[in-house]
Amino acid sequence: LAKTTQPISMDSYEGQEVNITCSHNNIATNDYITWYQQFPSQGPRFIIQGYKTKVTNEVASLFIPADRKSSTLSLPRVSLSDTAVYYCLVGDTTPETSYDKVIFGPGTSLSVIP
Amino acid sequence: DAMVIQNPRYQVTQFGKPVTLSCSQTLNHNVMYWYQQKSSQAPKLLFHYYDKDFNNEADTPDNFQSRRPNTSFCFLDIRSPGLGDAAMYLCATSTGLEQETQYFGPGTRLLVL
Repeated sequence: LAKTTQPISMDSYEGQEVNITCSHNNIATNDYITWYQQFPSQGPRFIIQGYKTKVTNEVASLFIPADRKSSTLSLPRVSLSDTAVYYCLVGDTTPETSYDKVIFGPGTSLSVIP
Repeated sequence: DAMVIQNPRYQVTQFGKPVTLSCSQTLNHNVMYWYQQKSSQAPKLLFHYYDKDFNNEADTPDNFQSRRPNTSFCFLDIRSPGLGDAAMYLCATSTGLEQETQYFGPGTRLLVL
């Protein structure tokens, strides 16, 4: 299993860029890196996914170095509504199955301060 | 809109009284998952279905069972809820294709009295 490590919590002021780094030293060759966002009393919501280098969408950017042992989620100009828990996941593809199940790490609780 | 629906959003049960949580999806996804999430913790996978194939996580207590009568519906049965089973229960779906993301429902918060 590819285990992930993230900071437990982070604080940021509104309007700043926030970077959350996740370590996944034993990532497998076929594993992708996926980030989810979860607000209180809601289910997690997909933010972004990548395999290597950089991926960008309308919400965030994901930076993955060549060795893929870590990844960084970048949230540009955060607002109060970005206060949430952010989970970094690495796909757990088992040989016995033809589909993935992913294991959630502890997540990073981001607090955006006015 | 296509989505994952969980009913009810809040469920209260008594210690030892069986309870069933429901999940439905309009995404026509092959895979459905049940997670348990306790306060300030990450979601923990209980089990999942690929179509009708059931896959139980090794550490999921026998007290938890699941049924998937068709593609759209999946149920979580807790046979004898204990106080420690109070949690948010999340249902999720995915296509089952490699590295496909999961779509989560809003969750059902279970309270055991």
